[in-house]
Amino acid sequence: AQTVTQSQPEMSVQEAETVTLSCTYDTSESNYYLFWYKQPPSRQMILVIRQEAYKQQNATENRFSVNFQKAAKSFSLKISDSQLGDTAMYFCAFMIPDASANKLVFGAGTILRVKS
Amino acid sequence: EAGVAQSPRYKIIEKRQSVAFWCNPISGHATLYWYQQILGQGPKLLIQFQNNGVVDDSQLPKDRFSAERLKGVDSTLKIQPAKLEDSAVYLCASSLEWGGLSYEQYFGPGTRLTVT
Repeated sequence: AQTVTQSQPEMSVQEAETVTLSCTYDTSESNYYLFWYKQPPSRQMILVIRQEAYKQQNATENRFSVNFQKAAKSFSLKISDSQLGDTAMYFCAFMIPDASANKLVFGAGTILRVKS
Repeated sequence: EAGVAQSPRYKIIEKRQSVAFWCNPISGHATLYWYQQILGQGPKLLIQFQNNGVVDDSQLPKDRFSAERLKGVDSTLKIQPAKLEDSAVYLCASSLEWGGLSYEQYFGPGTRLTVT
């Protein structure tokens, strides 16, 4: 069974600074997808960034980037120039495409607080 | 483009009562998911529909939970009878198709259920 571990229950960062959220996962599969989702206090979950395991290049989306270490089964999220609107719960999630019906397996989440 | 709609947003019931949640996915999205998110945990998939057929319901407590997706559009999730441990946020998500290019799931705002 696949598992996702987020070892940081809570993090805080000053506005405009950089923060890194950690995620590790466990799988014996070679083809999979990894995601970071953001869940603001209003609870609407939105996708932040996606990484395909077969791609060696780390994904980036504006201020968000990942450090994907396949051998170490690590998938961290870096947020640069943190903004107050980045305050949210962040979930790391794992999916094996075309197996188990594309089920997302989520970690327990990291609460990120951006301080002014 | 309208997002995933869910109702009600909040529900408080007593244990042993029944409750139903409604979800309207994004227009054209063939796949619909129901997740249970217990406080402090990541979402856990309860059931997944592809059009109006069930793809995965392995984690649905079938003795008390049921779900249907008539005509492959709207879906309802029912709990009967409710237990205290069913207190959670119930999230509905949809995606364009199973095995779609992005595998991205779009989430609704959720229904917060409190069982007393």
